[in-house]
Amino acid sequence: TQLLEQSPQFLSIQEGENLTVYCNSSSVFSSLQWYRQEPGEGPVLLVTVVTGGEVKKLKRLTFQFGDARKDSSLHITAAQPGDTGLYLCAGATVSSGSARQLTFGSGTQLTVLP
Amino acid sequence: DTGVSQDPRHKITKRGQNVTFRCDPISEHNRLYWYRQTLGQGPEFLTYFQNEAQLEKSRLLSDRFSAERPKGSFSTLEIQRTEQGDSAMYLCASSQSGRGYEQYFGPGTRLTVT
Repeated sequence: TQLLEQSPQFLSIQEGENLTVYCNSSSVFSSLQWYRQEPGEGPVLLVTVVTGGEVKKLKRLTFQFGDARKDSSLHITAAQPGDTGLYLCAGATVSSGSARQLTFGSGTQLTVLP
Repeated sequence: DTGVSQDPRHKITKRGQNVTFRCDPISEHNRLYWYRQTLGQGPEFLTYFQNEAQLEKSRLLSDRFSAERPKGSFSTLEIQRTEQGDSAMYLCASSQSGRGYEQYFGPGTRLTVT
């Protein structure tokens, strides 16, 4: 069983602060996705990283894939209340023609206070 | 096309009743996935279709669950003889062939079994 562990589980910060959330596994993933989910809605895809060491930026969000493709981090600069939500990482694997089912972490619930 | 749609958004049923959910994927996506999400957890994979063929099923998908995608377009997920433990958010996602790791989710169907 492949598991993704996310930390911290909960994070509450003031507007304007920086933060980093982590996603770790003992397994190697062919790609890793970050999603954001709001209450009562489905996850929204933010980014996909596929190459070890890859860094992608999306406005104030910076995503990094570990060199060994076992871990990832999400850094938010100058957080805003609109960044509030559940951040989920999801790893994709391929085995025996599997359709790359995603394995999700349990998420980091971020609250940005005005 | 505006994304993956799911119907209904909410369903309340009594234990022992059957329920059916519908998912309409992004039109050019030939892969369709079902996930289940319980409170405080990330989504868990249930099953996957490529066109009309159901190619993979999780152990979570008991024999009370059945999914179909008869024409390779929309899909239905039926739960027979519902139990309180079936209460969850049921999420549908779709992806393009060759980019199965980039899955786009619908808003989900919230099932409550009383």
